[in-house]
Amino acid sequence: KAGVTQTPRYLIKTRGQQVTLSCSPISGHRSVSWYQQTPGQGLQFLFEYFSETQRNKGNFPGRFSGRQFSNSRSEMNVSTLELGDSALYLCASSLEGLMTGGQNIQYFGAGTRLSVL
Amino acid sequence: AQSVTQLGSHVSVSEGALVLLRCNYSSSVPPYLFWYVQYPNQGLQLLLKYTSAATLVKGINGFEAEFKKSETSFHLTKPSAHMSDAAEYFCAVNSGGSNYKLTFGKGTLLTVNP
Repeated sequence: KAGVTQTPRYLIKTRGQQVTLSCSPISGHRSVSWYQQTPGQGLQFLFEYFSETQRNKGNFPGRFSGRQFSNSRSEMNVSTLELGDSALYLCASSLEGLMTGGQNIQYFGAGTRLSVL
Repeated sequence: AQSVTQLGSHVSVSEGALVLLRCNYSSSVPPYLFWYVQYPNQGLQLLLKYTSAATLVKGINGFEAEFKKSETSFHLTKPSAHMSDAAEYFCAVNSGGSNYKLTFGKGTLLTVNP
């Protein structure tokens, strides 16, 4: 079974641009979560989608948005990029999402490394 | 609210020595706890999880962790370190219910010396 696939693996953008990252979950998984990883802040939760609906959102500005398609694939978009958005963006998928008591395991992709110049 | 504190951002051990990575959590409800490992330029891989079935949890690659409610701890151990264990380790908590996210600790970088 294929794992979580994130594309692209690396991106270089300049300030003010926007970027779209893609995540294909493990087949059959309906929940997709996004995290931002930086050396200073560590791993921070961005948002989670289940059946095309955003169920939870972290403390990030509105420039960060996402969506999920009917096949469970997800995209996240960052508009008006800032230098501080440089990070590794990780996507994770889960079989049923975390609503079932939080037991469900999240499986992570390799991430997209975004550099903002 | 839930939070995780990992004591020690960097731990260095000799090959064959005991590995102990510390994790303390804060949760208003019984938590679900996880340890993940991250190798360079890779995503996170689950090592083990605690879901209240047993306080001592065995994971992959010889790692195990013990849930101690009285100490709000979930420390990760491995009896004998191997060079391949060198990586960054993250403890995470999910309090379940309507909380659909994992809260991670800052991570502990494990170095294994020959």
